[in-house]
Amino acid sequence: SYDLAQPPSVSVSPGQTASITCSGDALPKQYAYWYQLKPGQAPMLVIYKDTKRPSGIPERFSGSSSGTTVTLTISGVQAEDEADYYCQSADNGGVGEVVFGGGTKVTVL
Amino acid sequence: QVQLVQSGTEVKKPGASVKVSCKASGYTFTGYHIHWVRQAPGQGLEWLGRINPNTGGTDYAQKFQGRVTLTRDTSISTCYMDLSRLTSDDTAEYYCARGGQQPYMDVWGKGTTVSVSS
Repeated sequence: SYDLAQPPSVSVSPGQTASITCSGDALPKQYAYWYQLKPGQAPMLVIYKDTKRPSGIPERFSGSSSGTTVTLTISGVQAEDEADYYCQSADNGGVGEVVFGGGTKVTVL
Repeated sequence: QVQLVQSGTEVKKPGASVKVSCKASGYTFTGYHIHWVRQAPGQGLEWLGRINPNTGGTDYAQKFQGRVTLTRDTSISTCYMDLSRLTSDDTAEYYCARGGQQPYMDVWGKGTTVSVSS
């Protein structure tokens, strides 16, 4: 398998924009997905196929892709957005092993 | 509504095995894969493998090959994750999650705590 690299932490003031990057060599050929994880709760899918938002996810969550980097953007951050965010993709070869990034802690100041 | 209900907390000794169940409801059980993901204390998410409930076919993460076994019982819409030769490093929250043709997970169980200690 291979690695997906995320920054360990991002801090943002309420109402501002948070951007979380995720880099990996297979990302030009494999979609990326993003999950939000809060303490004591199960992960929640917030972006799929690089840019698509599942029903029920606020419009302030968006995704983009460029080459080997994908980005999760939270516009107009709210206190409830404080959480860990993980990118996920799949290996190009073999069984298409699922790979997660190391996670980014978003702190709302 | 679509739901995955997992079995309860497990406490095991090193060297033992653990079997966690995941019961699906609210959708066609054989129409979606079930993935297993864990999170150790203070660590990130880690994928163990997936099963196709329709065929029983499985894919495992290289790291867990030979130590994890995924099975299903279609008569009761339930999947199982069996992890053997446990060590303290296997102490974690274990999640099952529904996946489709694309390798992402749209519905998650609430997690099962597995604690390994002598």
